[in-house]
Amino acid sequence: ETGVTQSPTHLIKTRGQQVTLRCSSQSGHNTVSWYQQALGQGPQFIFQYYREEENGRGNFPPRFSGLQFPNYSSELNVNALELDDSALYLCASSLPASEYTDTQYFGPGTRLTVL
Amino acid sequence: AQSVTQLGSHVSVSEGALVLLRCNYSSSVPPYLFWYVQYPNQGLQLLLKYTSAATLVKGINGFEAEFKKSETSFHLTKPSAHMSDAAEYFCAAGDYGGSQGNLIFGKGTKLSVKP
Repeated sequence: ETGVTQSPTHLIKTRGQQVTLRCSSQSGHNTVSWYQQALGQGPQFIFQYYREEENGRGNFPPRFSGLQFPNYSSELNVNALELDDSALYLCASSLPASEYTDTQYFGPGTRLTVL
Repeated sequence: AQSVTQLGSHVSVSEGALVLLRCNYSSSVPPYLFWYVQYPNQGLQLLLKYTSAATLVKGINGFEAEFKKSETSFHLTKPSAHMSDAAEYFCAAGDYGGSQGNLIFGKGTKLSVKP
């Protein structure tokens, strides 16, 4: 196990609703990244947080937003849910980037279904 | 922009046979390369990573991968497949150690192992 936990494991929402997904990073990791994995696809980078600030973003609209807290736990918020938002959402924690930095460690994911 | 291509969405081998999963990357600068494994309904587990220290990388569970710059490839191999290897495998490329967010993933290769 990586020490990265996510909640809830499964979630069902209807189109137009808002959702909050939570992630607890591995101890000592102050960088968290979020990914969306649609069925049959590889994960796609949503954004990364470092020291509570957004530190890079993929090709996702502003209705995808995040927060990172001083204890390094984090949230992914999605507003105005669309059917295409149905996916497995993965968070990954890591040490900050450096020449000797280590890897991203993934949590088990939250399966979001939008009806 | 980097891209990662995994040849073959589904590979089937017999137990005890060689496993070969193919991955090619597209980049003017060799990135950091990773192989992750995903078991059903679980997150991603790191198998191995290439960070320019050695072209032949050994990972967990008997897997290894060889970085070939001339072929822009990072194929994953295992000499003898085991039933427990049945899972989906993702190749990923990243910049600066892979924790600078934005890992680019391939679409995945599902490995089946026949008894």
